[in-house]
Amino acid sequence: SQQGEEDPQALSIQEGENATMNCSYKTSINNLQWYRQNSGRGLVHLILIRSNEREKHSGRLRVTLDTSKKSSSLLITASRAADTASYFCATDGAGGYNKLIFGAGTRLAVHP
Amino acid sequence: GAVVSQHPSRVICKSGTSVKIECRSLDFQATTMFWYRQFPKKSLMLMATSNEGSKATYEQGVEKDKFLINHASLTLSTLTVTSAHPEDSSFYICSAPGQGARNEQFFGPGTRLTVL
Repeated sequence: SQQGEEDPQALSIQEGENATMNCSYKTSINNLQWYRQNSGRGLVHLILIRSNEREKHSGRLRVTLDTSKKSSSLLITASRAADTASYFCATDGAGGYNKLIFGAGTRLAVHP
Repeated sequence: GAVVSQHPSRVICKSGTSVKIECRSLDFQATTMFWYRQFPKKSLMLMATSNEGSKATYEQGVEKDKFLINHASLTLSTLTVTSAHPEDSSFYICSAPGQGARNEQFFGPGTRLTVL
């Protein structure tokens, strides 16, 4: 079964603003990953944070992980219209080798 | 990065027919691949783990006789939706784990199945 709720389900912002998406999960994890999906397309890996890490940066992305609360957040700074997409967190460790369980996703719309 | 392809990208079929979807790792070998389905504006639901040279492992609630998976080589896994019905209409996505410690997965572009 899927685990993880993402909050918010949809987010609409203006270009230049920051976007924060949250993800919660239920079981122990080895790592948590964030993926991006443009409408009707496959997923693109954004960033991975291991269970012993608390924060990670990649360009305009900042991910935090709180294993005590079983939650993670993805921050996109200085958003652009091209950031418009759905963003999913996925946990690895719930069942086996590289098996990812996805959260519900956040649909982000960035308006010019 | 590694590339995973899917074929076809879109398929429309009549109820009762079977549809085969291919997932290929183009520049790397994948002993394991994963199949997901995704309903509109929803998340990805893991259907099964495809294992090269052995039987697939299905998630709870997924009918193995309905969704036949074959992983005949290190670069190809196929998903066959048998006796398709309109409720099988969905977006089907495959993925393959990359090499090394990054634990990154590479996703195919997806196949949109519409059953009339």
